[in-house]
Amino acid sequence: GESVGLHLPTLSVQEGDNSIINCAYSNSASDYFIWYKQESGKGPQFIIDIRSNMDKRQGQRVTVLLNKTVKHLSLQIAATQPGDSAVYFCAETYYNQGGKLIFGQGTELSVKP
Amino acid sequence: DTAVSQTPKYLVTQMGNDKSIKCEQNLGHDTMYWYKQDSKKFLKIMFSYNNKELIINETVPNRFSPKSPDKAHLNLHINSLELGDSAVYFCASSQDIGKTEAFFGQGTRLTVV
Repeated sequence: GESVGLHLPTLSVQEGDNSIINCAYSNSASDYFIWYKQESGKGPQFIIDIRSNMDKRQGQRVTVLLNKTVKHLSLQIAATQPGDSAVYFCAETYYNQGGKLIFGQGTELSVKP
Repeated sequence: DTAVSQTPKYLVTQMGNDKSIKCEQNLGHDTMYWYKQDSKKFLKIMFSYNNKELIINETVPNRFSPKSPDKAHLNLHINSLELGDSAVYFCASSQDIGKTEAFFGQGTRLTVV
């Protein structure tokens, strides 16, 4: 039977492999989409953002892809390292909303050495 | 120096008590926030303040009263604590409203017994 409550989606990868973390969003009016990383016992930490009129943005070892047609956001991490192990959250925000971030469900990334 | 610091880190208290969590940021930011993270890791905005002015109150019970004596501080006072208030509370700041990069404190784990 189903367990009560939801477990965080998990992704387990081997060190050195690439990781892809996915997120579905619902608000087409959002102006920015953002990825945050939360390590155990710490607060979320900004990774990268993408404006809604873009479809790809690259950072250091990370790439964010935005597909507005299917309302899908992904974070790609190249050459995943043990230090990348954390919970990753997608978030969205839009102007005139007081700066609030609307977070999605997190994904727990576990990197095996 | 810690950018966003909140105290205490842990807080265990009985139902019905009143407690406060303090937050300070030394980044010179204009906007500060309180977020609540539940046991399933879901993060939700509670309040945002810009230059000491309340911008967002996300339908939080009025037992929760934020206070911003200056733009570097945003404290959270909670009256008549309930079991359902148990969560991790994060303070955050951003340069101003609309910035996607928020800096989070380490969190305060509140346990109501």
